[in-house]
Amino acid sequence: DGGITQSPKYLFRKEGQNVTLSCEQNLNHDAMYWYRQDPGQGLRLIYYSQIVNDFQKGDIAEGYSVSREKKESFPLTVTSAQKNPTAFYLCASTPRDDKKELFFGEGSRLTVL
Amino acid sequence: AQRVTQPEKLLSVFKGAPVELKCNYSYSGSPELFWYVQYSRQRLQLLLRHISRESIKGFTADLNKGETSFHLKKPFAQEEDSAMYYCALYNFNKFYFGSGTKLNVKP
Repeated sequence: DGGITQSPKYLFRKEGQNVTLSCEQNLNHDAMYWYRQDPGQGLRLIYYSQIVNDFQKGDIAEGYSVSREKKESFPLTVTSAQKNPTAFYLCASTPRDDKKELFFGEGSRLTVL
Repeated sequence: AQRVTQPEKLLSVFKGAPVELKCNYSYSGSPELFWYVQYSRQRLQLLLRHISRESIKGFTADLNKGETSFHLKKPFAQEEDSAMYYCALYNFNKFYFGSGTKLNVKP
């Protein structure tokens, strides 16, 4: 079953702790993205990666970090420096072709207690 | 800076009525625009892209460069169209999304 898998679906964290959200895809897509979704604000880009071992900051990268050691994987770490980390996080990928269609995961909901 | 604006948070129509979800963008070049949809308990997915000039599930969207708009239209709404709709703009490997409009089609 091809697609994008995000885990965990729900995560609770205490203030001051780092947490890593997993995103794996078996679609052989080159580009991967992390978005944050807050009510009334749509999707805001955190980080994106076009190829392995390369990634760029999006519009709201502060307090987040990523790695892209494998084509299939693009984990997102929410660090303690992120001031308002409680949110819904979406991972997406797309092949580098003319269609530019994003394929999304089911999302991970992070709650900071 | 690129920006996508969806002015309506919620749009309620009756079944069979026409529907128009508004999207305006700010971009200096030739934009690539998309509509994404999220049905209840499903993943966000592509509905249509302006470059294809296609009609999907009865929806169409025309790019109006003069008004910098990309409104989504359907002449006769169905209950199964109830969902969250996002307008998106692509530029230099990044996708920018609007805040979304929730469409509620009443029976």
